[in-house]
Amino acid sequence: EIVLTQSPGTLSLSPGERATLSCRASQSVSSSYLAWYQQKPGQAPRLLIYGASSRATGIPDRFSGSGSGTDFTLTISRLEPEDFAMYYCQQYGGSPRVTFGGGTKVEIK
Amino acid sequence: QVQLQESGPGLVEPSQTLSLTCTVSGDSINSGRYFWSWIRQPAGKGLEWIGRIQTSGSSNYNPSLKSRVTMSVDTSKNHFSLKVNSVTAADTAMYFCARQYDIYGDFDYWGQGTLVTVSS
Repeated sequence: EIVLTQSPGTLSLSPGERATLSCRASQSVSSSYLAWYQQKPGQAPRLLIYGASSRATGIPDRFSGSGSGTDFTLTISRLEPEDFAMYYCQQYGGSPRVTFGGGTKVEIK
Repeated sequence: QVQLQESGPGLVEPSQTLSLTCTVSGDSINSGRYFWSWIRQPAGKGLEWIGRIQTSGSSNYNPSLKSRVTMSVDTSKNHFSLKVNSVTAADTAMYFCARQYDIYGDFDYWGQGTLVTVSS
C-alpha cells in the first residue's frame, strides 16, 4: 500500500504569506498520478492540482504544484482569506488504487 | 456543468446494509474515460477511497472494504450505487460520490456528500 504522509499537520500563517505543504509517498508515485484538493468545513473536496503540477479549471495561479518520485509540494504564493482550509494529496495507481494523505490544515495565525 | 447528488438513508442499524445512490446530471454517465467512485470521511478525519466502477461494469475496491462492498451502475437512470453490508459504528461517515478521470486519476467532480450514521 502506498502511504502518503502530509506535513506539517497544521500551518499557521497570515494572509499574504506563502504556504508550502509537503506530501511524501512511501513508494515512488508517477507524477501523472498525484493530485491536491482543498476542503472547507461542510463541503466536498475541490480539485486544485492534477498530474502533480497542472492546475484544475478555475484554480487561481497562486496555487502551484511540484515534485516527483516520493516528494511533492503544494505552494500557495500569497494566502487569501478564502485559502484557509484543509488540503489533501492523493495518489492513483498503487494498491489500493487510490490513497489520500492525512491532510494539512492551513489556519490563520 | 456536471453535477453529482448522493441519496439514501441517513441512519442504518448495525449489521444491516448501507445503500446509497449517486445521480449524475449535466453529462451522460457513459461519456468519456471516467470511473465513478465512492469516498468516505468520518467526522473530523481524512478521506478514504471505497472503490470505483465504470459503465462497462469493471470495478475496483479498497482491499480493506472489499469483502463488504458492492457497486453497480444503471446507465438508463444515469446513476451508480454503493452497498456496504454488515455495517458497524466504524462505517459512520460522510459519503461522497465523485467522478475520476482515468488519464490522471484525479477526482474532478464531487457530490455534496451524505451523512450516514450506523446506530440502533
